[in-house]
Amino acid sequence: DAGVIQSPRHEVTEMGQEVTLRCKPISGHDYLFWYRQTMMRGLELLIYFNNNVPIDDSGMPEDRFSAKMPNASFSTLKIQPSEPRDSAVYFCASSSRVGGYTFGSGTRLTVV
Amino acid sequence: AQSVSQHNHHVILSEAASLELGCNYSYGGTVNLFWYVQYPGQHLQLLLKYFSGDPLVKGIKGFEAEFIKSKFSFNLRKPSVQWSDTAEYFCAILKAAGNKLTFGGGTRVLVKP
Repeated sequence: DAGVIQSPRHEVTEMGQEVTLRCKPISGHDYLFWYRQTMMRGLELLIYFNNNVPIDDSGMPEDRFSAKMPNASFSTLKIQPSEPRDSAVYFCASSSRVGGYTFGSGTRLTVV
Repeated sequence: AQSVSQHNHHVILSEAASLELGCNYSYGGTVNLFWYVQYPGQHLQLLLKYFSGDPLVKGIKGFEAEFIKSKFSFNLRKPSVQWSDTAEYFCAILKAAGNKLTFGGGTRVLVKP
């Protein structure tokens, strides 16, 4: 199994631009999570899906952030417009009901 | 709501020293417990987990953790650390009926060669 696959690994963009982060969960996992990690705030859960349906998006910082999961093998996290304070590492993780989480390698986002 | 506390934010020790990282949680119901490790520049990886049974859990790379229900604790230990154990360690809980991990703030461990 290739694990959770995220792309891109690194993204540098200018303030105001749209950013799209991608995640492919492990096949058969029915939960998908988006986390953001910063030095100041640590690991924050942004949103999670169960069977492609968003269950809890209370961690999404504001309307500039949106996430979709159009099918069981793909999810996106979009920031529009991006701001410097969005700079962070964004992790995607997937799990099945009985297992622990498996994390992707993360996307390091820098907004200048 | 449940929460997880890791008391030490930074730990510095020398190779071959013993390591113990504290983790306490607040939730009255049944929980599953995890320790994750994040090496510099990498993603989180599962070290060990406790679901039920023997409260002393052995994980990868010589780590172990003990669940003490009466103290709501799940401390991580390693008898003799190596330089390669330099990383950030996260404790996390999962409510038995849920699927959302709650993480502690993490402990950065620096092992001096």
